[in-house]
Amino acid sequence: EADIYQTPRYLVIGTGKKITLECSQTMGHDKMYWYQQDPGMELHLIHYSYGVNSTEKGDLSSESTVSRIRTEHFPLTLESARPSHTSQYLCASSVTGTSEAFFGQGTRLTVV
Amino acid sequence: RKEVEQDPGPFNVPEGATVAFNCTYSNSASQSFFWYRQDCRKEPKLLMSVYSSGNEDGRFTAQLNRASQYISLLIRDSKLSDSATYLCVVTPSPGGGADGLTFGKGTHLIIQP
Repeated sequence: EADIYQTPRYLVIGTGKKITLECSQTMGHDKMYWYQQDPGMELHLIHYSYGVNSTEKGDLSSESTVSRIRTEHFPLTLESARPSHTSQYLCASSVTGTSEAFFGQGTRLTVV
Repeated sequence: RKEVEQDPGPFNVPEGATVAFNCTYSNSASQSFFWYRQDCRKEPKLLMSVYSSGNEDGRFTAQLNRASQYISLLIRDSKLSDSATYLCVVTPSPGGGADGLTFGKGTHLIIQP
């Protein structure tokens, strides 16, 4: 089993609220990623990081922001949640130099 | 042309049958290839890496055809538990990179009793 954890697993929140989705890994991986996936649809990369203090935007435009102050922690923040943000958010990590990515169990976000 | 293309299916296959599906990629410089499995409402998990010489893991066989730029996954003696979405993943260079880890849309497989 991969040592990468996401909290919360499920979140229902009202429009306009600020939320932070947590992602932590204990494998010492340099690379971390956030993907967004709607039910039955493909994964879309929204953010990634090569290491501490590195953050980059992915293929899919997102109103969220991320930070990477510590190697093991890669939180994603939505300043003002909207119903269009309703989706599943998956965090992943991999070792620099290899490509296999390990995924967290995901956060299923519903904005009402 | 999308970087990684898969037939989304669904493939409805009777239990015990052999099923195979392909994934085509557009970047000829792609170096690393993987098959991931994703169950409904779960996270993707690595099923197997795909090596140039092909590789086998139990009932699963993965092949790479660089000339035609596709990878394949063969499942023999399919089980009900094989029902899932199978994601093809391609990276353009050794070691990959977040911007190089390209997922296909996935092929949905349903094994029927």
